[in-house]
Amino acid sequence: GENVEQHPSTLSVQEGDSAVIKCTYSDSASNYFPWYKQELGKRPQLIIDIRSNVGEKKDQRIAVTLNKTAKHFSLHITETQPEDSAVYFCAGPSGGSYIPTFGRGTSLIVHP
Amino acid sequence: DTGVSQNPRHKITKRGQNVTFRCDPISEHNRLYWYRQTLGQGPEFLTYFQNEAQLEKSRLLSDRFSAERPKGSFSTLEIQRTEQGDSAMYLCASSLEGAEGNQPQHFGDGTRLSIL
Repeated sequence: GENVEQHPSTLSVQEGDSAVIKCTYSDSASNYFPWYKQELGKRPQLIIDIRSNVGEKKDQRIAVTLNKTAKHFSLHITETQPEDSAVYFCAGPSGGSYIPTFGRGTSLIVHP
Repeated sequence: DTGVSQNPRHKITKRGQNVTFRCDPISEHNRLYWYRQTLGQGPEFLTYFQNEAQLEKSRLLSDRFSAERPKGSFSTLEIQRTEQGDSAMYLCASSLEGAEGNQPQHFGDGTRLSIL
């Protein structure tokens, strides 16, 4: 079965609203949880990451929270802007390996 | 920082032909990964190298696929006897792994393969 589940698959918000994307995982092998942003036709780019020794990390309008007990981590974008429109991927542990498994992605659309 | 470079950017070939892609990672990075990405999906792991050693391969990886990193720098991914299902974006990523464990991966722009 799928080791990293990402929801929602699409998210449509108005400019200025907040957006939250959640990923759940089943394997506890990793201590590293990154989020990537991929604009159409471009490479995935790391936007924020978190290690298991902290519960939250912020970088301007972007934050990531981690709940190791519940095995989920979330991406929070506040004051969304049209340029935030992209596909966002989480990556988590899989089957005891250190190779990250990517979620299926969330297409975020920010309407001006 | 010149980033991760992949060549070619696009490859169109007929079914049954062999293709080879190249990835030049960030120079000081010791790990190199190959992924495949299809429309609407996240990157799917294929294989990775720690320096010149190939440490893990996805069990989904057909024996038509082979990868090398002969000197621990650039890597090549070859697909033999291509099939239409091989059409995808092939992404390369590199990272600098150390005592802290997993580190951010830096991706290239990918090679888009189209099988006619």
